[in-house]
Amino acid sequence: KQEVTQIPAALSVPEGENLVLNCSFTDSAIYNLQWFRQDPGKGLTSLLLIQSSQREQTSGRLNASLDKSSGRSTLYIAASQPGDSATYLCVNNDMRFGAGTRLTVKP
Amino acid sequence: GAGVSQSPSNKVTEKGKDVELRCDPISGHTALYWYRQSLGQGLEFLIYFQGNSAPDKSGLPSDRFSAERTGGSVSTLTIQRTQQEDSAVYLCASSLVGGGGKSYEQYFGPGTRLTVT
Repeated sequence: KQEVTQIPAALSVPEGENLVLNCSFTDSAIYNLQWFRQDPGKGLTSLLLIQSSQREQTSGRLNASLDKSSGRSTLYIAASQPGDSATYLCVNNDMRFGAGTRLTVKP
Repeated sequence: GAGVSQSPSNKVTEKGKDVELRCDPISGHTALYWYRQSLGQGLEFLIYFQGNSAPDKSGLPSDRFSAERTGGSVSTLTIQRTQQEDSAVYLCASSLVGGGGKSYEQYFGPGTRLTVT
């Protein structure tokens, strides 16, 4: 069973900081990689999907990269805002999720 | 457009009873996934459908859990003889399936919150 690891488990930053969330898989055979956010008591919202032929995807202040050779993905959030506070989850085509990174952005 | 819908949104049941959870995927999505999230825990994969077949049932926690999908659309997740540890939010997602069986972006429903008393 593939292991999915997300680091850090929790992160608290002041508003305006740039930050990086990490996701790694024990099996580097990745077809695609998807990042989600989950707000307390709510469902999952898709943020970015990186296909196997891509190295990164950008949406607004978010940038996700994928390194298939090492089985790693990073989610970069620029100029963080309090509204970014949520749990961020990654999943690959193997449908295994990491435990998530709980992000708190303080105003 | 219509997203993934799930029903009921909340279900409270007594221990030992059977429950059925329903998922309506986005029209045209051939892949359908069931997950559950227990309180304070991460998402746990349960089962994946491609069309009406389930090539991956590895996540079902016990033989009390079963799922089916008919007509390549609606899916039901059935839990027999519910136990308190079954209490969780059950999430359904759907996606298009590309060539070679590689699945694409997953879209999640709002979930069904199951409480077993």
